[in-house]
Amino acid sequence: DGGITQSPKYLFRKEGQNVTLSCEQNLNHDAMYWYRQDPGQGLRLIYYSQIVNDFQKGDIAEGYSVSREKKESFPLTVTSAQKNPTAFYLCASSSGGARTDTQYFGPGTRLTVL
Amino acid sequence: AQSVAQPEDQVNVAEGNPLTVKCTYSVSGNPYLFWYVQYPNRGLQFLLKYITGDNLVKGSYGFEAEFNKSQTSFHLKKPSALVSDSALYFCAVRDASNTGKLIFGQGTTLQVKP
Repeated sequence: DGGITQSPKYLFRKEGQNVTLSCEQNLNHDAMYWYRQDPGQGLRLIYYSQIVNDFQKGDIAEGYSVSREKKESFPLTVTSAQKNPTAFYLCASSSGGARTDTQYFGPGTRLTVL
Repeated sequence: AQSVAQPEDQVNVAEGNPLTVKCTYSVSGNPYLFWYVQYPNRGLQFLLKYITGDNLVKGSYGFEAEFNKSQTSFHLKKPSALVSDSALYFCAVRDASNTGKLIFGQGTTLQVKP
């Protein structure tokens, strides 16, 4: 988990509310990723960014949005359009987008919809 | 389609015995394979990766993995299990496209009993 921080650790959302999950890294990595983890399903990619001011949709981007205004920060907003947002959200980073680069993960944020 | 399969939901071993967590993959092009471990309510910790070269890869905490191209497998092993190894283990393969994403298996719970 070293070098990547996520906040908050736990987050509760009411129906129809947007929430933003924070991800910060001090590893000087160019690439950052957001994954969603559901029980028994492994991790699925939501969004990724290989460079500042640029990001791309992953496999399950609907109902989510991101920004990458600074190299060290990649916040994820879960909008009210996301129908089933209760999950564990993991942010990751790697030095670049090369296939050989290792992705390192933050400690995660557990989001629960009330 | 690219995919990773972990055929066992749970593996049980006695402390001190060798352990194996199985993983098979399907990917176009060269496979870049990773193993991660996750403790409850924590992020993923990187254990090891195979990029090229020696088929036996050594990683953190005494773990190693054997790459077998003909069987498209990348099994995780440890000669002597510890109770503290009990956790959720994920195998992943790097996507062949330029997204840089990891494709994860569904995870295997390792239970080491004293």
